[in-house]
Amino acid sequence: NAGVTQTPKFRVLKTGQSMTLLCAQDMNHEYMYWYRQDPGMGLRLIHYSVGEGTTAKGEVPDGYNVSRLKKQNFLLGLESAAPSQTSVYFCASTEGGVDLSGYTFGSGTRLTVV
Amino acid sequence: KQEVTQIPAALSVPEGENLVLNCSFTDSAIYNLQWFRQDPGKGLTSLLLIQSSQREQTSGRLNASLDKSSGRSTLYIAASQPGDSATYLCAVERNTPLVFGKGTRLSVIA
Repeated sequence: NAGVTQTPKFRVLKTGQSMTLLCAQDMNHEYMYWYRQDPGMGLRLIHYSVGEGTTAKGEVPDGYNVSRLKKQNFLLGLESAAPSQTSVYFCASTEGGVDLSGYTFGSGTRLTVV
Repeated sequence: KQEVTQIPAALSVPEGENLVLNCSFTDSAIYNLQWFRQDPGKGLTSLLLIQSSQREQTSGRLNASLDKSSGRSTLYIAASQPGDSATYLCAVERNTPLVFGKGTRLSVIA
């Protein structure tokens, strides 16, 4: 049982380049989330989705876009990468509603923007 | 806005000690509280989930308690081992996604 899978695991971008981070879950969870983790700042929510075809902004959404075309996948896009987006990105999923199982996290994507 | 605080930020203990990690949150009307473990350079591993109607959860040497009225949770680790060395994160959920504390970095010295 894979749980939550993130690809790629590492990436180096040049300023201004674009990329997409993929998150896939095999638990049939309704809700999915993207967080970023920075030293001294903890984990902060970027965007989330409460079901296929839905997205919502979190605490730090600027510079990112997301799409949830399929229930099992949640994509995070950077249209024009900036050094401030250097971070570790985590995807998570939950059942949603009255959540009895808690959040399951992926292993992260370490992104460096130079 | 929900804020989650974890004290202490770092803790170093000798092997075998029992220890307590603290978590406090500003809005007591939460649905769930979840404790995670994070090893350096790795993802988050869920340790314990306490739902709003529960007061504590136990898993092996770990026990987490929840006092909603005071906005506090504690994670108790019994007979600590060097393998327990990691960062422990507390997170709460209400009608918005999980809000995290900044964690307690634990070192257990053999």
